[in-house]
Amino acid sequence: GESVGLHLPTLSVQEGDNSIINCAYSNSASDYFIWYKQESGKGPQFIIDIRSNMDKRQGQRVTVLLNKTVKHLSLQIAATQPGDSAVYFCAENNYGQNFVFGPGTRLSVLP
Amino acid sequence: NAGVTQTPKFRILKIGQSMTLQCAQDMNHNYMYWYRQDPGMGLKLIYYSVGAGITDKGEVPNGYNVSRSTTEDFPLRLELAAPSQTSVYFCASSLSTGEGELFFGEGSRLTVL
Repeated sequence: GESVGLHLPTLSVQEGDNSIINCAYSNSASDYFIWYKQESGKGPQFIIDIRSNMDKRQGQRVTVLLNKTVKHLSLQIAATQPGDSAVYFCAENNYGQNFVFGPGTRLSVLP
Repeated sequence: NAGVTQTPKFRILKIGQSMTLQCAQDMNHNYMYWYRQDPGMGLKLIYYSVGAGITDKGEVPNGYNVSRSTTEDFPLRLELAAPSQTSVYFCASSLSTGEGELFFGEGSRLTVL
């Protein structure tokens, strides 16, 4: 099951630096993964996805890495900007079943 | 270009009151979902629907009911509100399940006192 807690882990980075946000997923059979960004007071927004037959996928300023051996997903954001400040969470899916969401990481970008 | 629209954005209820959270999508998606989000926790699935007339329980359905009379609308009903239902509720829709993103509404913050 998922670990739960009242306080989100927080990652603080300097503006312009690269950010790496990690996610440990729970089901070794999951075959599809999505990263979402949630700004304060808003609904989650899709960032990037990856299938289990891939190890890496790149988007605009973002890269997702998948390590199936240790059930680990990471999101890399290049040249982090103030607008990147948000909560980021991963979601896993097992062949068409409903998504399971992680608790999220709060990214804080320092000026 | 509305996407998923939720109303109301904020609501305060007294214990034992009832209310309905409205959700509408204009993308002709068959799949619709209701989630709740509590501080520091991942989104938890309350109910979902794979098409008009079909609904099913998610992970945390107790205290809630849903209906899906049309493709566009998926209201969530809270009967006999309890403080444990204080949360932020998100409605979402998708074209398919297991592939492709979920499109989320802006959320409805509910407080039960």
